[in-house]
Amino acid sequence: DAGVTQSPTHLIKTRGQQVTLRCSPKSGHDTVSWYQQALGQGPQFIFQYYEEEERQRGNFPDRFSGHQFPNYSSELNVNALLLGDSALYLCASSFMIGTGEQDNSPLHFGNGTRLTVT
Amino acid sequence: GENVEQHPSTLSVQEGDSAVIKCTYSDSASNYFPWYKQELGKRPQLIIDIRSNVGEKKDQRIAVTLNKTAKHFSLHITETQPEDSAVYFCAAENRDDKIIFGKGTRLHILP
Repeated sequence: DAGVTQSPTHLIKTRGQQVTLRCSPKSGHDTVSWYQQALGQGPQFIFQYYEEEERQRGNFPDRFSGHQFPNYSSELNVNALLLGDSALYLCASSFMIGTGEQDNSPLHFGNGTRLTVT
Repeated sequence: GENVEQHPSTLSVQEGDSAVIKCTYSDSASNYFPWYKQELGKRPQLIIDIRSNVGEKKDQRIAVTLNKTAKHFSLHITETQPEDSAVYFCAAENRDDKIIFGKGTRLHILP
């Protein structure tokens, strides 16, 4: 039973470029959340995808966009990269329990993609 | 806005002693509070979680308490061991189902 897998593991980009990060959720999970973790900080919520739609979004600019595919995998795209975008990007999957107080199962994280912008 | 505050940022305890990490949250509608452990260079891993319908939960040496009135929750690790050294994150799920993380506590277990 594979856990959450992310690719690539490391990436170096130049300021102004665009990047695409990929995530495959844990088997049985249908929801994918993306987080940005700067060095020495906690994960910051970027957005969440469910049923191929962006369900929730954090305080990130429109340069950050995403997509979810029918097989529940997801991509995170960042345009016009800034030096400050350098961070560990974590994907976390869960499954939607239902409506009400316990909507999501606990998050399972991937190992992340370390993005360096020079 | 939504916020999770975590204290202390760094904690050093003697091996065998207890460690306590405290968090507060701002969204009164939050009802799910997970704790994650992140070792250097590794992914955050869920170690324990609690929902708002209980006040305390224990799993071997780890326990979490929740005070909804005061909007704070705590992680307690007893009989600490060297492998407990890591960064610990508290988190709260807000009314929009976003899981918001604290800034983390770096726990050092001293020999």
